[in-house]
Amino acid sequence: DQQVKQNSPSLSVQEGRISILNCDYTNSMFDYFLWYKKYPAEGPTFLISISSIKDKNEDGRFTVFLNKSAKHLSLHIVPSQPGDSAVYFCAASPIQGAQKLVFGQGTRLTINP
Amino acid sequence: EAGVAQSPRYKIIEKRQSVAFWCNPISGHATLYWYQQILGQGPKLLIQFQNNGVVDDSQLPKDRFSAERLKGVDSTLKIQPAKLEDSAVYLCASSFHRVGRTGELFFGEGSRLTVL
Repeated sequence: DQQVKQNSPSLSVQEGRISILNCDYTNSMFDYFLWYKKYPAEGPTFLISISSIKDKNEDGRFTVFLNKSAKHLSLHIVPSQPGDSAVYFCAASPIQGAQKLVFGQGTRLTINP
Repeated sequence: EAGVAQSPRYKIIEKRQSVAFWCNPISGHATLYWYQQILGQGPKLLIQFQNNGVVDDSQLPKDRFSAERLKGVDSTLKIQPAKLEDSAVYLCASSFHRVGRTGELFFGEGSRLTVL
């Protein structure tokens, strides 16, 4: 049972344009959402998060949008840079109980010069 | 600040052999996690410790996997005997926040296991 889904395995975007990565979840108990970025041969690194009391959180070039009614979140990167090329994981956690993250399958983003 | 340290980075073994992975979390982080990441999939939680106690090991295949966190700091994850499907990257992560509170996890570089 895949509770967090990233339906696009890969995405290719031109440098300077906007990258939009999508994530859907099924568990209504999820209350806190995070995006992680992973380079080859490295562990995932935290990028940005959002709690369910918000619908948007912005940090520099990165913005995460949350649509609770649709159980959907997205990560916008603008403008996209070559260094953004990586695998992006969406993760979710229930705010109550044990703090553990459920990850999506990941989306490989490639930024073309 | 030093990050999460893991060793070995790479390990190749034959099926039915045993292997152990070591993790040293960020100093002061009470919560430690072991995740398994199979190629093409997202990380899957195997076990979560709060200090030296197990919080969640519901997805740990206990017939072959074991983990401990003595003294609430370092942790080891052992697989015995290994199967082909155990080929994966084993990620250790730690978090400052305690159980019931949200916060980001800091991951190590991972230990890549290949079972032949």
